[in-house]
Amino acid sequence: DIQMTQSPSTLSASVGDRVTVTCRASQDIRNWLAWYQQKPGKAPNLLIYDASSLESGVPSRFSGSGSGTEFTLTISSLQPDDFATYYCQQYNSYSPLDTFGQGTKLEIK
Amino acid sequence: QAQLVDSGGGVVQPGRSLRLSCAASGFTFASFDMHWVRQAPGKGLEWVAGISYDRNEKNYADSVKGRFTISRDNSKNMVYLQMNSLRTEDTALYYCAKVFAPAGPGAFDIWGQGTMVTVSS
Repeated sequence: DIQMTQSPSTLSASVGDRVTVTCRASQDIRNWLAWYQQKPGKAPNLLIYDASSLESGVPSRFSGSGSGTEFTLTISSLQPDDFATYYCQQYNSYSPLDTFGQGTKLEIK
Repeated sequence: QAQLVDSGGGVVQPGRSLRLSCAASGFTFASFDMHWVRQAPGKGLEWVAGISYDRNEKNYADSVKGRFTISRDNSKNMVYLQMNSLRTEDTALYYCAKVFAPAGPGAFDIWGQGTMVTVSS
């Protein structure tokens, strides 16, 4: 199985900061990677797909990069609405490859 | 507007069964792969099962293989998760999710609101 390792698990930052979350795959997943934002009591919301494509309606301060085994999600200037938990997900054909990272909780410093 | 509505959750004893349902609307359901994802209280997301748009492929997480069955009815725009031999560790909020692109794997762009399953004696 492909394993996804996401870091850090918790990140403290201030409004206006630039933050980066990293996701590593245990083997090459090309660009089959998505990023999601989840707020308490809500379903996850797709931010980035295919490693770097911005989902429609998502603010441009969110960006994704990487390919192969190393990926990053960057928020260029944190806004109050961005404090949430972020997950990476790798996808490909099925079993056993649809897996999520452990999550990164972005907290207000 | 594309929408998924999850239902069927509840409180069930260990070893019993439950069937979850997901009603889709606002998109060409028969063209998209569908998945179930769960989230235990206070924990992260765990993929559970997926089914291809044409029902030819079904796959499961190791933790549920042999106990859960995913299915779909393209005539009714429904996807199901039959859960047998439930364990306390299956306690979670279960989400149905739609794949972004038609006829193949991809990110999940539409999610249901979730339905809670509690396995307890």
